[in-house]
Amino acid sequence: DGGITQSPKYLFRKEGQNVTLSCEQNLNHDAMYWYRQDPGQGLRLIYYSQIVNDFQKGDIAEGYSVSREKKESFPLTVTSAQKNPTAFYLCASSTGTGTEAFFGQGTRLTVV
Amino acid sequence: SQQGEEDPQALSIQEGENATMNCSYKTSINNLQWYRQNSGRGLVHLILIRSNEREKHSGRLRVTLDTSKKSSSLLITASRAADTASYFCADFMNRDDKIIFGKGTRLHILP
Repeated sequence: DGGITQSPKYLFRKEGQNVTLSCEQNLNHDAMYWYRQDPGQGLRLIYYSQIVNDFQKGDIAEGYSVSREKKESFPLTVTSAQKNPTAFYLCASSTGTGTEAFFGQGTRLTVV
Repeated sequence: SQQGEEDPQALSIQEGENATMNCSYKTSINNLQWYRQNSGRGLVHLILIRSNEREKHSGRLRVTLDTSKKSSSLLITASRAADTASYFCADFMNRDDKIIFGKGTRLHILP
């Protein structure tokens, strides 16, 4: 089945620790995106990548880092520099030409 | 920065009634898309309308686009309990391939 997979579904992190969220797609999409969603809020763009080995900052990139070493994978690292990391994180992919985006089921990160 | 803003923020209607949500933009619209999100889940694409289109239908969904007013509306006819969700509009920014979402409308269908 083609799709986009995020793991884990729930993640707990202690303050001061870095944590990496996984996002994998087998849709052969060039573009991949990371969004953050806070309760009752819309989606805010963290980072996006249009092609392998290239990525751009979104609106709220501070405290986050990404890599795009493979077309299928776009992991997001939430660093200790992110002041308020508790949120719902969504990964998406698209062909990058204005067509629909496909979303994973999200990772809920809680800092304890 | 959020390109679109949905209105209303929340909407409760009786099952069987029609639900209308609006989306307004500050800059020009490229490929406007509507998505649905069930609570705690990822977003699902509903419909895309291009900047040179004025209306589009998909099943019980009807989307209109008014570029002069920089606005779009999503109409769900004959609503069902399963339509309870949040609905987002999004624009694909041609200049840098970003997809920018609005804050969404939370729709609640009452039995």
